[in-house]
Amino acid sequence: GESVGLHLPTLSVQEGDNSIINCAYSNSASDYFIWYKQESGKGPQFIIDIRSNMDKRQGQRVTVLLNKTVKHLSLQIAATQPGDSAVYFCAENKGGTYKYIFGTGTRLKVLA
Amino acid sequence: GAGVSQSPSNKVTEKGKDVELRCDPISGHTALYWYRQSLGQGLEFLIYFQGNSAPDKSGLPSDRFSAERTGGSVSTLTIQRTQQEDSAVYLCATGQGASPLHFGNGTRLTVT
Repeated sequence: GESVGLHLPTLSVQEGDNSIINCAYSNSASDYFIWYKQESGKGPQFIIDIRSNMDKRQGQRVTVLLNKTVKHLSLQIAATQPGDSAVYFCAENKGGTYKYIFGTGTRLKVLA
Repeated sequence: GAGVSQSPSNKVTEKGKDVELRCDPISGHTALYWYRQSLGQGLEFLIYFQGNSAPDKSGLPSDRFSAERTGGSVSTLTIQRTQQEDSAVYLCATGQGASPLHFGNGTRLTVT
């Protein structure tokens, strides 16, 4: 399938290790944030979201951390698996408006 | 179906021909977006629908691009007189209220 984001920053992680993917968001008024995973040849897939009244939210093997002071979002993936290899990008939204701002993404490569 | 469905999944067309891309949203999702994703690039916003209305068409690159939505459901993106620079993945996303956008797998358009 077609590759997405050939010139994206790449994070290489050993299988079984934890991964941390970072995102700097642009609008201090944004109050809703989403992480997406995009595998080659597929559309972005929702992973986890967080609202600005929280600073941490956990899902299955994933944790999102939000630092509003420095406008920083991170996605932590525990015990990274080969199936986690993909491009990950964040999205921000303000006040339930229709506009979403998407980051350019980070490619995660899981090494066997 | 349960997810956003886009067709065709792949389209190869000759320069100068018209193409129509289709998006079937998740049932009940009133918001519908079209994005374009080129190799090595992030998501480029094209147009936003709320129901059948398109309050924001600001991302359409030229008057060769148009989109419509009928019955608050299916949307079609039409590109007339295609050019080689139109080659990209066209993604449709739908949402409802303060919820994450859900994407289809896109249509990969190649203009030869």
